[in-house]
Amino acid sequence: GAGVSQSPRYKVAKRGQDVALRCDPISGHVSLFWYQQALGQGPEFLTYFQNEAQLDKSGLPSDRFFAERPEGSVSTLKIQRTQQEDSAVYLCASTLGGTGNGYTFGSGTRLTVV
Amino acid sequence: QKEVEQDPGPLSVPEGAIVSLNCTYSNSAFQYFMWYRQYSRKGPELLMYTYSSGNKEDGRFTAQVDKSSKYISLFIRDSQPSDSATYLCAMARNSGYSTLTFGKGTMLLVSP
Repeated sequence: GAGVSQSPRYKVAKRGQDVALRCDPISGHVSLFWYQQALGQGPEFLTYFQNEAQLDKSGLPSDRFFAERPEGSVSTLKIQRTQQEDSAVYLCASTLGGTGNGYTFGSGTRLTVV
Repeated sequence: QKEVEQDPGPLSVPEGAIVSLNCTYSNSAFQYFMWYRQYSRKGPELLMYTYSSGNKEDGRFTAQVDKSSKYISLFIRDSQPSDSATYLCAMARNSGYSTLTFGKGTMLLVSP
């Protein structure tokens, strides 16, 4: 596609529910990143994939967070037993060739846990 | 102390003004410096990318990096209402597939 597509755009979850957030990167982009952006803050790194391999998951805040990219294209970020502190915008970014080429970000999924 | 500090604003200026946005950082391992613009309810988009100290100009935008002071700036000339957005500085340790460390962003409001 022309850009990075994320769905759903908005998600309201009751505390304790599991949620799944989808990212469809630009076709051919090898690298895919997930970032979390709390209100009034800059994005913070969660995890990084190169093709289907998850090379860095050091930013995942707890074992309730899980990400996968089984075929090296679409990625899913799953949050189990959601908590109020998980409320944030979850951004996905993809890139063909490193920081200098710029990361293309999606518009994000705004998750609200009530 | 966060690795990257950025004044959240808001910064309000009249149309046509020169805008100066700044970030400081503490980690000398950062070598690559970027400015992203984020409109409301959209993802960040890359504006400027610079390596090491010096200036880089692109149209109305100029990015400056002073590694000795650990200080980066973005200047916007002849600001327009369409420049109203949040400006995020971001830094990386290498040019490959590197994670980005962002500032919290400065909200800019340009009034007609």
